[in-house]
Amino acid sequence: GVTQSPTHLIKTRGQQVTLRCSSQSGHNTVSWYQQALGQGPQFIFQYYREEENGRGNFPPRFSGLQFPNDSSELNVNALELDDSALYLCASSLRTGYNEQFFGPGTRLTVL
Amino acid sequence: GENVEQHPSTLSVQEGDSAVIKCTYSDSASNYFPWYKQELGKRPQLIIDIRSNVGEKKDQRIAVTLNKTAKHFSLHITETQPEDSAVYFCAAGPGFQKLVFGTGTRLLVSP
Repeated sequence: GVTQSPTHLIKTRGQQVTLRCSSQSGHNTVSWYQQALGQGPQFIFQYYREEENGRGNFPPRFSGLQFPNDSSELNVNALELDDSALYLCASSLRTGYNEQFFGPGTRLTVL
Repeated sequence: GENVEQHPSTLSVQEGDSAVIKCTYSDSASNYFPWYKQELGKRPQLIIDIRSNVGEKKDQRIAVTLNKTAKHFSLHITETQPEDSAVYFCAAGPGFQKLVFGTGTRLLVSP
């Protein structure tokens, strides 16, 4: 399945953070979502074959990478208090309509 | 861009009753409508989805209906059980690309 690390993370405002995701084997697409408390997941961006393939309404300090080995990263620079949330990655196959399989998420707290 | 509205925000039913959750979307380009169940502290899990070329889909106690003209889709759960208690999210999107989620419905099924 989809795994994410770390499970929890505490950072202070202005710091930088890297979150990691391991996609389900064989999946070529990974999407990242931010889920604030009590809200639905919000699309950050999607990567397909190591290229960004669509982006939501998030500033450039949110960036990502996808690697050939089914892993990916979400990087957030200059952390703000409002960045505190559950960050979910979801992997899928980019062929027609396919289920996005979510990882367990990383809970980020910015103090 | 796409906007998804979901109602109600909370829903309390007695065990054995039916539950209905409704969503509306704004972008006529959306053609994929999944429903996710998220239990407390866990990842969202797909429970059912529907494509725009289908008006209704059923899987045991769960069914989803889609009205493309009105841009409405609904989740129907019959014979509810306490283990159905969770937060349910609807989402809409153009196939394998980004999903826009609703704000969630907290369903509580009382024995």
